[in-house]
Amino acid sequence: ETGVTQTPRHLVMGMTNKKSLKCEQHLGHNAMYWYKQSAKKPLELMFVYSLEERVENNSVPSRFSPECPNSSHLFLHLHTLQPEDSALYLCASSQDLAGSYEQYFGPGTRLTVT
Amino acid sequence: AQKVTQAQTEISVVEKEDVTLDCVYETRDTTYYLFWYKQPPSGELVFLIRRNSFDEQNEISGRYSWNFQKSTSSFNFTITASQVVDSAVYFCALSGPRSNSNSGYALNFGKGTSLLVTP
Repeated sequence: ETGVTQTPRHLVMGMTNKKSLKCEQHLGHNAMYWYKQSAKKPLELMFVYSLEERVENNSVPSRFSPECPNSSHLFLHLHTLQPEDSALYLCASSQDLAGSYEQYFGPGTRLTVT
Repeated sequence: AQKVTQAQTEISVVEKEDVTLDCVYETRDTTYYLFWYKQPPSGELVFLIRRNSFDEQNEISGRYSWNFQKSTSSFNFTITASQVVDSAVYFCALSGPRSNSNSGYALNFGKGTSLLVTP
């Protein structure tokens, strides 16, 4: 595997379900990110991790819970979601947090909450 | 505050036409970075180019070229002789230091321009 991978690619869940999104980067990067992409909206940064430590949480509801067990893996745990949480969730990584480094994105998980 | 404006929501061209995607940014920082990403229908954002605020040289990469003008706060992207495979959503993004966060830099995306190239 190369680059940034995400699983699953598609997920349909009910409002009472609990599920997790997984992201893995094979680039040796130190920073990882979760973004939400909804229709007609700009990409929204949700969480930022640097060397497994969360450095930013952009007022994301607690029904989204990130986990970064090591610098290569990032999870987003989901529980009691709302229909408006349906979106494309993108994971990204970069060499570190410096703004000069580009972010590399995974293919995303298309989430539908019913 | 930082802001990126991509005024063109959708553009449709016929194959082999040239097309320019506009990007205008706002920032008070003297050090910042500008990026372009391509998002094909598969969903993955693909990094295309990075420019820092001190380098106003234009860049050409094959059929792609970028025009960075600090005087007008613009970082426009031109595709020459467009092809069907260029159909995608293109995002311009601005990265600059954040004073109220431990994350150092924030990457602010525009809303994207959807480009459709038809045969």
